[in-house]
Amino acid sequence: GAGVSQSPSNKVTEKGKDVELRCDPISGHTALYWYRQSLGQGLEFLIYFQGNSAPDKSGLPSDRFSAERTGGSVSTLTIQRTQQEDSAVYLCASSLRQRETQYFGPGTRLLVL
Amino acid sequence: GDSVTQMEGPVTLSEEAFLTINCTYTATGYPSLFWYVQYPGEGLQLLLKATKADDKGSNKGFEATYRKETTSFHLEKGSVQVSDSAVYFCALVSGAGSYQLTFGKGTKLSVIP
Repeated sequence: GAGVSQSPSNKVTEKGKDVELRCDPISGHTALYWYRQSLGQGLEFLIYFQGNSAPDKSGLPSDRFSAERTGGSVSTLTIQRTQQEDSAVYLCASSLRQRETQYFGPGTRLLVL
Repeated sequence: GDSVTQMEGPVTLSEEAFLTINCTYTATGYPSLFWYVQYPGEGLQLLLKATKADDKGSNKGFEATYRKETTSFHLEKGSVQVSDSAVYFCALVSGAGSYQLTFGKGTKLSVIP
């Protein structure tokens, strides 16, 4: 079946602009995760959604980052007032239930000029 | 907090050589352990996993055994191929009520003919 999809695949923006990144999880997966992959920091957890529960936002690096998940499916990660240090690959993953295997999307490569 | 330490790369091997990539971890509770692989230009793919002590995960000729006494999950393959060239990430999901993956920094493997 279809895997996790993300859009756009690449995004170039100017410092100070807002960006929205989208994730479509695997159908039926209740858990959704966002991670960031950067050269300096490796792979870092950002935020986790499980069903209708309140999300775990403990990995968000600043209040410029937010995410929502509508209808228990599609998720959007928003970065406000982007900074150059936000440049990274943003990865989305989903799992059937919490603690089950996570399947990753191809990522969105964000470049902030 | 949880952490994963894996051997520094890059690792360069000749085709048909034996591969070991060391991985050790620190975690609360009883974590599940994973190896993910990222081929050039592609997203993260699950390679293998183990969910309890002494379990052996295996896939595509790769193996790793969950060793609780040494808190290790070393990745091995008896005979590598050029197509195994990729970055390998060791990761865990803690057993202590958190569900995100904690990753090691990755080991880049290059296999030369």
